[in-house]
Amino acid sequence: SQTIHQWPATLVQPVGSPLSLECTVEGTSNPNLYWYRQAAGRGLQLLFYSVGIGQISSEVPQNLSASRPQDRQFILSSKKLLLSDSGFYLCAWSWQGNDEQYFGPGTRLTVT
Amino acid sequence: AQSVTQLDSHVSVSEGTPVLLRCNYSSSYSPSLFWYVQHPNKGLQLLLKYTSAATLVKGINGFEAEFKKSETSFHLTKPSAHMSDAAEYFCVAARGQNFVFGPGTRLSVLP
Repeated sequence: SQTIHQWPATLVQPVGSPLSLECTVEGTSNPNLYWYRQAAGRGLQLLFYSVGIGQISSEVPQNLSASRPQDRQFILSSKKLLLSDSGFYLCAWSWQGNDEQYFGPGTRLTVT
Repeated sequence: AQSVTQLDSHVSVSEGTPVLLRCNYSSSYSPSLFWYVQHPNKGLQLLLKYTSAATLVKGINGFEAEFKKSETSFHLTKPSAHMSDAAEYFCVAARGQNFVFGPGTRLSVLP
């Protein structure tokens, strides 16, 4: 069976510090991968998605970036965090050609 | 372009009574439709999915949803609410990688 992991589970970072959130999927190969952000009291916003290694599509311009160094690894990064980057970050995966997405447990990021 | 509307930001029911969470979508084509549930500080769990095979879709934990094309609706129902159903529920319209989330409905279940 497939599982998706995210870490860390929670993170508190000062403004201007860098960020690295990691997501890995087990039990499948060549998945589509997604990063979402959920701000307090709001719905989910798609940030990035990837259909393969090194292939990243950005949905929203911002100071965040994503990378996919390995088939089942998806990383969300920032060089300098802003207060507005606080939120709940969710990684998801789907099979190629299938629109059903499966979500990880999420990372709660608080920028102080 | 797609959009998803969830008509109620908050629904409160008593334990053992029926649940109705409303969702309407707008799309120039027939999208796939989903309901996801999110418990506090947790990821999203898929409840059910509509893909045109049947208009009434049964999901996990006793939930079901009915697709009504004429009303562009995909409302989520459950005959009898349980305390563990208290959570945030998201209706989603999708086509390929384009996933459009509704704003969510918070369900409270009173004892």
